[in-house]
Amino acid sequence: QQQVKQSPQSLIVQKGGISIINCAYENTAFDYFPWYQQFPGKGPALLIAIRPDVSEKKEGRFTISFNKSAKQFSLHIMDSQPGDSATYFCAASITYPLSFGAGTTVTVRA
Amino acid sequence: ETGVTQSPTHLIKTRGQQVTLRCSSQSGHNTVSWYQQALGQGPQFIFQYYREEENGRGNFPPRFSGLQFPNYSSELNVNALELDDSALYLCASSSDIYTGELFFGEGSRLTVL
Repeated sequence: QQQVKQSPQSLIVQKGGISIINCAYENTAFDYFPWYQQFPGKGPALLIAIRPDVSEKKEGRFTISFNKSAKQFSLHIMDSQPGDSATYFCAASITYPLSFGAGTTVTVRA
Repeated sequence: ETGVTQSPTHLIKTRGQQVTLRCSSQSGHNTVSWYQQALGQGPQFIFQYYREEENGRGNFPPRFSGLQFPNYSSELNVNALELDDSALYLCASSSDIYTGELFFGEGSRLTVL
């Protein structure tokens, strides 16, 4: 069974817009929540990660928002660029292994 | 610092055959994990190796097996291939057994006919 549910499956955003991807989890023991970015033909690359003791983490144009009570977390991509077009995966773990969501394909239109 | 490298990048097998995939971990990393990524899906955990021992396994049958060598490189072996084994196989290394921070290779694309 999928331990992390991710939505939407895909989204299209205009250059300069905001992309928002949501994930929900059930296991309250999860203590590490990373986001991975994957380009076609490549392996996933760690983008940003958060632990449940903080509600938000920002790195450049990428922000994770974490809601422990709702068991949800989201990725916001600000000022989206064509180079951000990729598939994004949320994940969660208790140390290891990572349980991944099904992925969101983001297309940024110029 | 070299990243995670995998070989071969692509291969085609027929049902019932056996396959071996190889992975070199990132310099300084002693833990290797293997994931299966079916088309359009997220990676699924197969197993993890730490200091040459398997120390965690996902919901995969015994025909999926592995090895880790003293230099921390690793192999994934799949016997009696089935059509559903067609997928991208990803190797990831990490600096220790407990970290969730994984560094992935580009994967081996296996097609089973």
